[in-house]
Parts: sequence; C-alpha cells; structure tokens
Amino acid sequence: EDQVTQSPEALRLQEGESSSLNCSYTVSGLRGLFWYRQDPGKGPEFLFTLYSAGEEKEKERLKATLTKKESFLHITAPKPEDSATYLCAAHSGNTPLVFGKGTRLSVIA
Amino acid sequence: GAVVSQHPSRVICKSGTSVKIECRSLDFQATTMFWYRQFPKQSLMLMATSNEGSKATYEQGVEKDKFLINHASLTLSTLTVTSAHPEDSSFYICSAPWAGVGYGYTFGSGTRLTVV
Repeated sequence: EDQVTQSPEALRLQEGESSSLNCSYTVSGLRGLFWYRQDPGKGPEFLFTLYSAGEEKEKERLKATLTKKESFLHITAPKPEDSATYLCAAHSGNTPLVFGKGTRLSVIA
Repeated sequence: GAVVSQHPSRVICKSGTSVKIECRSLDFQATTMFWYRQFPKQSLMLMATSNEGSKATYEQGVEKDKFLINHASLTLSTLTVTSAHPEDSSFYICSAPWAGVGYGYTFGSGTRLTVV
C-alpha cells in the first residue's frame, strides 16, 4: 500500500532560523512527488513537482529535493508569512494522489 | 494558469437540506476532477473522482447517494451533499490535474460546509 509520512507534525521557528521538513514515501513506481502549501481555510497551493531522485527545485526561500525514499523541503531564513501547513503528496500513476498529514509551520518574528 | 474556481467558500445549511458546491476550471479543460474532504488538522481524504461525461468513481465508504457528483462539461464539476446532517460538516476541496511543462494538480479554494 502506498504511504506518505511527514515529519515533524509541527515546527516552530524563529524568523531567520532555517530548517527542513521531511516527507518519506513508499510508492511503487513514483511518477511525481508534490509539495503544497495550505493556509487555514484555503485549498492547497502548488509549490513543486519532483520527478526523479536527485532533482531539486527552488522558489524564493523554499527548496525541494528528492531521493529514492524521501523528499525534503528546505526553508532558508523563513519569515512569518511562511507560516502554513506544508503538504507532501505522491503519485504512482495508477492511483490517486497519496497525501501525508502535513507539517504545521509557525515562524515567530 | 491552471486555475480552479470553487464556490461557495462558506455555506451554512439546515439539517435535511441539500447543498451544491461548484468547481470551474478557468483557463484549461478539466476532464477529471477529484473531490476531497478535510477535517480539522487532518490531511485530505479523497472522496470521489469524476470524469467528464461519465459516472463518478467513489472511494470505499463514501455514499454515492449522499454525495452526488456531476461533471457535465469540461469546465464544470459539481458536488451536491444531499439531505445534509451535522456529521457532513467539513471542508470540501476539488482538484484537477494539469499538464504543460511537467504536470501537477491544482486545487480549488475549498468550501466550508456547516450543517446546523
């Protein structure tokens, strides 16, 4: 059974304190690994798609990386506006997206 | 690009009534739409998959007679919660796949349903 596990469940950072969020996946035949940001009461906002091990993508203070078993979302010098829940999802092609439970990030000024 | 517009954003209805939620793809054709439900501090739970012009496929445990899905055009999919009860109160989100340079899934902004 395909599974996606995110850690930590919650993370509290001081503004400027860089850190990483983890997404471990067990998916047969990964087609894509997705990262989303979700603000309270809103739908998920697309951040990145990663397709193969070794791939990296960046957007502002965020960088996503992918290995054969996990993905990391690195947040460099975060700001309070980066506070949100970050969701990871895996797609194996024959099944719908499998989501992790998310990491709730709080960045304190 | 690849924007899905979802309405309403919030709805409060009385127990026993029906509520319709609409999702429109604004700048692309959505042949497939996924409908999710999300409880507080939980991840997204797939309820059903709709394909334009055919019957929706429901996930195990989801009542197809309670959650009616219609995907009559390439730009509109609707979810109707029939005879709503307080336990149906939740956050409902639609999502459609897109492909261009790479591929992904775009989500609507969600509908907060409260049944009183």
